[in-house]
Amino acid sequence: KAGVTQTPRYLIKTRGQQVTLSCSPISGHRSVSWYQQTPGQGLQFLFEYFSETQRNKGNFPGRFSGRQFSNSRSEMNVSTLELGDSALYLCASSLGASVVTDTQYFGPGTRLTVL
Amino acid sequence: GNSVTQMEGPVTLSEEAFLTINCTYTATGYPSLFWYVQYPGEGLQLLLKATKADDKGSNKGFEATYRKETTSFHLEKGSVQVSDSAVYFCALINQAGTALIFGKGTTLSVSS
Repeated sequence: KAGVTQTPRYLIKTRGQQVTLSCSPISGHRSVSWYQQTPGQGLQFLFEYFSETQRNKGNFPGRFSGRQFSNSRSEMNVSTLELGDSALYLCASSLGASVVTDTQYFGPGTRLTVL
Repeated sequence: GNSVTQMEGPVTLSEEAFLTINCTYTATGYPSLFWYVQYPGEGLQLLLKATKADDKGSNKGFEATYRKETTSFHLEKGSVQVSDSAVYFCALINQAGTALIFGKGTTLSVSS
């Protein structure tokens, strides 16, 4: 069974630009979560989608947005990039909607560098 | 809100040494606790979990016991291998039950 895939794996952008990252969950998984990983802040929750609906959102500015499609694939978008947005963005998928009972499977991440 | 603190790294060990990575938590109630591992260039993988107090999670020789008295979930392995070199993250579920909260991660380096 294929794992969680994220594209692209690496991105270089300049300040002020916008970027879209893509995540394809494991087949059959309906929940997709996004996390930002930085050396200073560690892993922080961005948002979570289930059946095309954003159910939960972390403490990030409105420049960070996302969506989920009917095939459960998800995209996240960051507008007006800032240097501090440089990070590894991780996507995780799970079969159901419960963080307690449904194991989250992580992709390899997209490394975003903002210059 | 819920939070987790784990020991700073890096931890450097020789092969076959005993490993302990400390993790303590602050939480309302007794949320599920997790250990994730991140190998170089890869995403996080669930290593083990415990869903209630006194539970012991175990996998691949690693163990951790959910101790409510000391609010701890320390990761242990009796004999580490070079292939265990990775970053280890302790995590728990946030108060709303909607997302994972991770510790800062502990880098383990095992030499032969």
